Amino acid sequence: GEKVEQHESTLSVREGDSAVINCTYTDTASSYFPWYKQEAGKSLHFVIDIRSNVDRKQSQRLTVLLDKKAKRFSLHITATQPEDSAIYFCAASGQGTGSKLSFGKGAKLTVSP
Amino acid sequence: ETAVFQTPNYHVTQVGNEVSFNCKQTLGHDTMYWYKQDSKKLLKIMFSYNNKQLIVNETVPRRFSPQSSDKAHLNLRIKSVEPEDSAVYLCASSTDISGNTLYFGEGSRLIVV
Repeated sequence: GEKVEQHESTLSVREGDSAVINCTYTDTASSYFPWYKQEAGKSLHFVIDIRSNVDRKQSQRLTVLLDKKAKRFSLHITATQPEDSAIYFCAASGQGTGSKLSFGKGAKLTVSP
Repeated sequence: ETAVFQTPNYHVTQVGNEVSFNCKQTLGHDTMYWYKQDSKKLLKIMFSYNNKQLIVNETVPRRFSPQSSDKAHLNLRIKSVEPEDSAVYLCASSTDISGNTLYFGEGSRLIVV
């Protein structure tokens, strides 16, 4: 099955800096790559996703890049704010797999004022 | 705004007891899921249902059994809990099974003593 590796376990940035979280996946058939955010003591909620028909998607301060050749995707957060502090999970799944998302282990981002 | 409701939020029980977690979604989605998040924040899918039908059944011990009365409800029963069942159980829903955005509930934390 699909295995998603999330390389950074923790990262710390200063408010206003950029942050990048990287993930790799193993299954070349994977075509859907969402990111979820989990704030302390709370559940996960969706932040942004990308499908394999594009290699870049931006939503306000968030950008996802997808490199299908390298089987790598990344989340870029610009102008970070303290409220961006959370655990970010990347995930991957193929089409028609019953939404069987495989999650990375999570990366804890801390944004200090 | 919560639209996936889980009860109870927290439950402490002894080894060997039975536990049930309930989940209801008010989004009109067809597909619902149970995920397990362990103490290291690792997320693993356990089950998914589409319109009351079991779609995904990962390798979980037989003491775990999902129950769905209609597409808005997906409960999880654990017979004879064991210490390694201590975790947060997250219910989620999506519009359909084709890998769309998951909407998570707040989670049900189980502690087995």
